Amino acid sequence: SQTIHQWPATLVQPVGSPLSLECTVEGTSNPNLYWYRQAAGRGLQLLFYSVGIGQISSEVPQNLSASRPQDRQFILSSKKLLLSDSGFYLCAWRGQGSYGYTFGSGTRLTVV
Amino acid sequence: AQTVTQSQPEMSVQEAETVTLSCTYDTSESDYYLFWYKQPPSRQMILVIRQEAYKQQNATENRFSVNFQKAAKSFSLKISDSQLGDAAMYFCAYRSANYGGSQGNLIFGKGTKLSVKP
Repeated sequence: SQTIHQWPATLVQPVGSPLSLECTVEGTSNPNLYWYRQAAGRGLQLLFYSVGIGQISSEVPQNLSASRPQDRQFILSSKKLLLSDSGFYLCAWRGQGSYGYTFGSGTRLTVV
Repeated sequence: AQTVTQSQPEMSVQEAETVTLSCTYDTSESDYYLFWYKQPPSRQMILVIRQEAYKQQNATENRFSVNFQKAAKSFSLKISDSQLGDAAMYFCAYRSANYGGSQGNLIFGKGTKLSVKP
């Protein structure tokens, strides 16, 4: 069966420090992968999506970047965190030809 | 661009009663999918129910059902026999049936916080 893993679950980082959040999917190949951010009291905002290795599309200009070094691995990064980067980050995947999304358990990032 | 609107930031229901959460969307497409996701305090996004736009019959999953009005672009969620475990944020989401580029991405409303009173 397919599973999605996202870590860490919580993270507290100082302003100006780097960031690396990782997401991996098991039990499927060539999934579409997504990074969403949820600010406090707000809905989900799509940050990046990827339809294949090395293929990254950005939806919102920001301080973050994403990479997909392997088929089932999706990484969200920042060189220097801002206070406004605080939020809840969710990774999700969708199978090719499927319309259903499956979400990871999320990472709560607090920038102090 | 498509948009999803949830006009009720918060709702409350008595345990065992029925509640309806509203969702409207705007699109020029004829083929798409609609979803309701539940986000409990754990923050995990859980799929509650989904509807294909080409299907006239409303989707049902146990105590959860939808009222899909395609012409009105309305997609409400009805929760029957509400339980304490139903307390959560509920998000309505839209997805184009076109898989190309960003069109296959989920677009979310801002959510409705549902409280269930014992």
